[in-house]
Amino acid sequence: GENVEQHPSTLSVQEGDSAVIKCTYSDSASNYFPWYKQELGKRPQLIIDIRSNVGEKKDQRIAVTLNKTAKHFSLHITETQPEDSAVYFCAASRFGTGTASKLTFGTGTRLQVTL
Amino acid sequence: DADVTQTPRNRITKTGKRIMLECSQTKGHDRMYWYRQDPGLGLRLIYYSFDVKDINKGEISDGYSVSRQAQAKFSLSLESAIPNQTALYFCATSGPRTGGSYEQYFGPGTRLTVT
Repeated sequence: GENVEQHPSTLSVQEGDSAVIKCTYSDSASNYFPWYKQELGKRPQLIIDIRSNVGEKKDQRIAVTLNKTAKHFSLHITETQPEDSAVYFCAASRFGTGTASKLTFGTGTRLQVTL
Repeated sequence: DADVTQTPRNRITKTGKRIMLECSQTKGHDRMYWYRQDPGLGLRLIYYSFDVKDINKGEISDGYSVSRQAQAKFSLSLESAIPNQTALYFCATSGPRTGGSYEQYFGPGTRLTVT
């Protein structure tokens, strides 16, 4: 089955700096890669996702890049703000098959944005 | 607003007891999931169901069972609870595969403690 590794496990940045979280996956057939954000005491929520037919996707201050050859994808947050402090999870799955909705999650990255 | 709800939100139980966690959704989604979250281990899939007649084991199904009573209800049971099942449990839903988003919507979570 799929295995997703996520690094780093914790990340501290100063407000205004950029943050990068990296994930690798093992199943070359995986083609859907979402990122979820979980604020303290809250439920995980989707913030951005990417499919394997594109290499990069942006949404305001967040972006995700995908390298299919190397089987890794990354989340980039620019101009970080205190409200970006949370745990971020990457995930991978196969798109377009009966198992497409079954996500394998990484172990999470706790991002702390300091003033 | 359409939502995913879980009951109970917190539960303390003793080793050997049977316990049921319930999940209901008003999103009209056909796919439902149960995850457990442990510090440092991320979100791990216990069971998932793509419709009322479809139940599938996830990566950590041992010691758990599920029931899909209706499209909107998906229950997780621990037949004989043990301390290492102490965790935060999330239910999630997602919409139909064809033409739909793959976003998973999480419930608020159930914090279970087994003493």
